[in-house]
Amino acid sequence: DAGVTQSPTHLIKTRGQQVTLRCSPKSGHDTVSWYQQALGQGPQFIFQYYEEEERQRGNFPDRFSGHQFPNYSSELNVNALLLGDSALYLCASSLGPRWFFGPGTRLTVL
Amino acid sequence: QKEVEQNSGPLSVPEGAIASLNCTYSDRGSQSFFWYRQYSGKSPELIMFIYSNGDKEDGRFTAQLNKASQYVSLLIRDSQPSDSATYLCADDRGGSQGNLIFGKGTKLSVKP
Repeated sequence: DAGVTQSPTHLIKTRGQQVTLRCSPKSGHDTVSWYQQALGQGPQFIFQYYEEEERQRGNFPDRFSGHQFPNYSSELNVNALLLGDSALYLCASSLGPRWFFGPGTRLTVL
Repeated sequence: QKEVEQNSGPLSVPEGAIASLNCTYSDRGSQSFFWYRQYSGKSPELIMFIYSNGDKEDGRFTAQLNKASQYVSLLIRDSQPSDSATYLCADDRGGSQGNLIFGKGTKLSVKP
């Protein structure tokens, strides 16, 4: 049984560009949450998708947007990248109370 | 602002000892908590999930929750060098919603 997968593994962008990160949840999991983890910090909640709709959102600007597809996979889009967006982006999925994280995408903004 | 506080460490223990990791939370209404282990450069890995007052044991790990004191702890018995990692405590904001509030993590170092 494959766990949560994310792509790409690493990404380098320049300020002002746009980026799309992808996540496939664990088999059977219908809910996906996205987190941003800066170096030396705990993950911070960005938003959550369930039934193809954004169900909850953390304290992130509108530059951060997402989507969930009918097969439960999800995308995170970030527009107008800033240097401060450099972080590890984590996707987590769940079918109940336990949340499992994918390997993450390391985004570097130059 | 709901918060989760952890001592950043590093906490250093000798191999075979008990490592004790602590976490306090600010939201009195919080119901459930998670402990994750994160190796350097990797993603968080779920260790324990606790929602009832008292202790929950799983192998070498014991999670303790005290809602009156708003305190969560993780004990690791017979610590091994492979346990060296950052341990993240997370508050599930009142139940199973997946909007986890994480502490900054405690770095544990187990010395052979």
